[in-house]
This record gives sequence, C-alpha cells and structure tokens, in this order.
Amino acid sequence: KAGVTQTPRYLIKTRGQQVTLSCSPISGHRSVSWYQQTPGQGLQFLFEYFSETQRNKGNFPGRFSGRQFSNSRSEMNVSTLELGDSALYLCASSSYGGGNYGYTFGSGTRLTVV
Amino acid sequence: GESVGLHLPTLSVQEGDNSIINCAYSNSASDYFIWYKQESGKGPQFIIDIRSNMDKRQGQRVTVLLNKTVKHLSLQIAATQPGDSAVYFCAENMKSGGATNKLIFGTGTLLAVQP
Repeated sequence: KAGVTQTPRYLIKTRGQQVTLSCSPISGHRSVSWYQQTPGQGLQFLFEYFSETQRNKGNFPGRFSGRQFSNSRSEMNVSTLELGDSALYLCASSSYGGGNYGYTFGSGTRLTVV
Repeated sequence: GESVGLHLPTLSVQEGDNSIINCAYSNSASDYFIWYKQESGKGPQFIIDIRSNMDKRQGQRVTVLLNKTVKHLSLQIAATQPGDSAVYFCAENMKSGGATNKLIFGTGTLLAVQP
C-alpha cells in the first residue's frame, strides 16, 4: 500500500515568487492536512481538507492557501514568498479526519526561499 | 542572521537502557494523543496512540501513559536501540467544531542512544 507522496522533495524559490506543493494521500483517505515545520516554531497546523472542502485552518496569513481535488489529492500554494517561509512542509492523510483514525505523514517538501 | 531555533530537550541513554520521554499537553478537551518519531530528512512516523478514555497502552517495546489530571503524556521505550535515535513528538488531537480535528504538536525531544 503506497504511503503519502509529496512532490517535489526540494524547492528553491526567490522572495516574491509563488510556489505550489502537491500531496497524494493514501488510497481511500479523504482527509489531507498540511503542516509547516521550522526550527523556530516547530510543527504548526496550516489547514485540513476533506472531500474538497477546507474544514479547518490554522493561524497563517492569507498567502497560504490550498485545495483538494475529487481524487483527494491536495495542493497548497504560497504566494509572495518571504524568507521566513523557508520550512519543511508536511502533508498528513487520514481516512476520515484524524481524530480517532490517526494520521500518516509524507516525507515533506523542503522549501528554501532566497 | 540566523533565527533562534527551539531548544530541543535532549535525552541521552545507553543502548539497552529504557527511555522515558515526557510531554505536557495543553487542551483538556483533547481526546486522542499520538507519539511520532522523526528521523532526519523524513516526515513524522507514527509510533503509538492512546484515546482519552485510557491511561495506558502498550505496543512493541513502547508504552504510552496518559495522566489527564495533570495533562501529561509519557512514552516509554524498552531496551533502547541505536535505531531509536530521533526526535520524538507528542501530539494532541484537538477538536475544532463538529468533526474537524487538528494536531497540536509538542516541541519534541531528541533521543540520543549511545552504543
């Protein structure tokens, strides 16, 4: 059974650019959550999608957005990149929405903003 | 310049010893707790979970204890091996209205196993 797949693994972008990251959840999983991991702030929740709808959102500026497709694959977009957006972005999939069903994480996309 | 990162608590143990990693959580309403292991360059890997109606759960070489009175979790690893070296995170599942959930992670503990 394939795990959670995130692409690309590494990205280098320039300040002011935008970036799109992709996450393919485990087959059959309908919930996808995104997290940002930095040395300064640790792991922080960005948002969660379930059946193409954003159900929950963390405390991040509007430059961070996402969407989910009918096949449960999800993308997140960061516009007008800032140096502080450099981080490991992790995607987690769950069969229903975490809670008592658990989450499986991908290996992440390492974004470096220069 | 460099930003100041989180100072990760470090637990250094000898191979073969037992390890205990502690975590305080924040929300009394959290109903589900998970321990994750994260190795360098990888995403968090599930170790063990526990629901709020339990106070102990055992897995293979790992045990999680939950004390809801003081909002405390611990992860015990028996016969620690070099392959256990990693950062360990506790996470609480916080309900956010209806069926929505999000994980709130602790800051993590670096476990260093000395051969």
